[in-house]
Amino acid sequence: TQLLEQSPQFLSIQEGENLTVYCNSSSVFSSLQWYRQEPGEGPVLLVTVVTGGEVKKLKRLTFQFGDARKDSSLHITAAQPGDTGLYLCAGGGGSEKLVFGKGTKLTVNP
Amino acid sequence: DTAVSQTPKYLVTQMGNDKSIKCEQNLGHDTMYWYKQDSKKFLKIMFSYNNKELIINETVPNRFSPKSPDKAHLNLHINSLELGDSAVYFCASSRDRGEQYFGPGTRLTVT
Repeated sequence: TQLLEQSPQFLSIQEGENLTVYCNSSSVFSSLQWYRQEPGEGPVLLVTVVTGGEVKKLKRLTFQFGDARKDSSLHITAAQPGDTGLYLCAGGGGSEKLVFGKGTKLTVNP
Repeated sequence: DTAVSQTPKYLVTQMGNDKSIKCEQNLGHDTMYWYKQDSKKFLKIMFSYNNKELIINETVPNRFSPKSPDKAHLNLHINSLELGDSAVYFCASSRDRGEQYFGPGTRLTVT
């Protein structure tokens, strides 16, 4: 069974700080996706990474896929209260089912 | 311009009842999914349909029965509801089993 471990589980920081969220597995994934979920809503896809070592940037968010395609990280620069939410990584997709990590709950305080 | 919609948003019912949740997508996608998110926010796939054909059927009690009348709809019927069925159920869709788009969720509470 493929498992994705996310860390930290909870993160509370002040506005303007930087942070990194990690997503690790012992399994190789064909692709890895990051989602953000706000209370009372469904997850919203932020990015998909497919190539080992790939780095993608989305404004202040930087996503990296590990060289071996077993891990990924999400780095947020100068966090803002609007970044608050549950961040989920998910591996697989395509002909494989999507396996989700348990999420990192981020709170950015003004 | 709703992409993936679910009804109802909230569902409160008693143990032993039978209930259905409906999902519709207007994205023209050919694959639809049902996920269950527990109280700890863990999201786990239950079923997936591609062009109305069941392609993923996880270890889910057979009290849960999905039905896909057409590519744009995937409904979930649950018989003999139990306390442990309480969760948020998400529908999602994708094109060619690619990136998934989620609905707003249905919060099911079984009392």
